[in-house]
Amino acid sequence: EAQVTQNPRYLITVTGKKLTVTCSQNMNHEYMSWYRQDPGLGLRQIYYSMNVEVTDKGDVPEGYKVSRKEKRNFPLILESPSPNQTSLYFCASRAGAGSNQPQHFGDGTRLSIL
Amino acid sequence: GESVGLHLPTLSVQEGDNSIINCAYSNSASDYFIWYKQESGKGPQFIIDIRSNMDKRQGQRVTVLLNKTVKHLSLQIAATQPGDSAVYFCADSTGYSSASKIIFGSGTRLSIRP
Repeated sequence: EAQVTQNPRYLITVTGKKLTVTCSQNMNHEYMSWYRQDPGLGLRQIYYSMNVEVTDKGDVPEGYKVSRKEKRNFPLILESPSPNQTSLYFCASRAGAGSNQPQHFGDGTRLSIL
Repeated sequence: GESVGLHLPTLSVQEGDNSIINCAYSNSASDYFIWYKQESGKGPQFIIDIRSNMDKRQGQRVTVLLNKTVKHLSLQIAATQPGDSAVYFCADSTGYSSASKIIFGSGTRLSIRP
């Protein structure tokens, strides 16, 4: 089954404790991205990657890092999480680099930073 | 600034009736539009898309209408069913570059009355 898988689905942690949210897709997609979803704000892009070893900042990249060492994986790293990073996070992928096609989303990771 | 918004945050519809969810966008250069459905605890799921060279596109029980003159997009769901309960949001992008900005609306929650 074609899917985007995120782990963990839920995490409660404390300020400053490094964490990584993993994302994996089995569709051989070139493009992957991370979003955060906050009430009333819609999805906002954090980082995206057009292919292996190619990453770029989205609209809200501060406090986040990503890597793309393999085509299928695109982890999101919070080196020193802070409470304003409490949010619902989604990983997404699409087949090509072009933006004129839909993305496939994972089921989300709810992060709470205390 | 750029925005993609929705006229109503919630919509309640009688089961079996048709639903119409509206979306306004501000960028007249937007040329690709998507509707997503997000069920509770899940990631956004692609429903239907439309390019700016069209004004109507139909899928299974869904129709998207695009009015470029007034920068308005709507999603029509025929014979609404309980399984249609979800948050629906639109997104638009401009151009075909992977760096093209994709703007997501904040969503309309559709609830179905029995």
